[in-house]
Amino acid sequence: GAVVSQHPSRVICKSGTSVKIECRSLDFQATTMFWYRQFPKQSLMLMATSNEGSKATYEQGVEKDKFLINHASLTLSTLTVTSAHPEDSSFYICSAGGLNEQYFGPGTRLTVT
Amino acid sequence: AQSVTQPDIHITVSEGASLELRCNYSYGATPYLFWYVQSPGQGLQLLLKYFSGDTLVQGIKGFEAEFKRSQSSFNLRKPSVHWSDAAEYFCAVGTDSWGKLQFGAGTQVVVTP
Repeated sequence: GAVVSQHPSRVICKSGTSVKIECRSLDFQATTMFWYRQFPKQSLMLMATSNEGSKATYEQGVEKDKFLINHASLTLSTLTVTSAHPEDSSFYICSAGGLNEQYFGPGTRLTVT
Repeated sequence: AQSVTQPDIHITVSEGASLELRCNYSYGATPYLFWYVQSPGQGLQLLLKYFSGDTLVQGIKGFEAEFKRSQSSFNLRKPSVHWSDAAEYFCAVGTDSWGKLQFGAGTQVVVTP
């Protein structure tokens, strides 16, 4: 199957700083990518839908100014957590593809101290 | 509103025994249903999916699932589990044609010798 990578796999940042997470489709082009957040022992919660060349669509309750998503190419979407706080600590997962075929990245563990 | 329920948070099963994971959904239209498996350090992997047609769906790794509209269920089964099946399993429903997924809370499967 197709491969989706995420970088970094783990990141620790200080409160108030910003951190960028990259999601890449390695062997296919993805018009649409999705960003999820997973708390420990909990399910994946969809944060936003990222469409190449257009603004992301955020789910209700997700702060678009805090979680900046850029999908500048068909193989790369980035999630920037701005002014991070400890409550933003979580596991962030991206996926690429559509309803019929969707591939997930291995996730990025963000810890805000 | 759509919802996906996995009643069992944790299941312990002996190697070689059968496994059944329950999933119930609430969705207005004909649902697009999925089962994913999440192993540490790896992205979610699709086990199988149901869009229409035969209600018994065969997937990878020896898994199968049966769609029962009358019970709003899509339970996952495996006749004989292997130690490598220990993982977190998520049931999901597709909520639009682009690929947005709503996940259940997940079931942690532990396999004992």
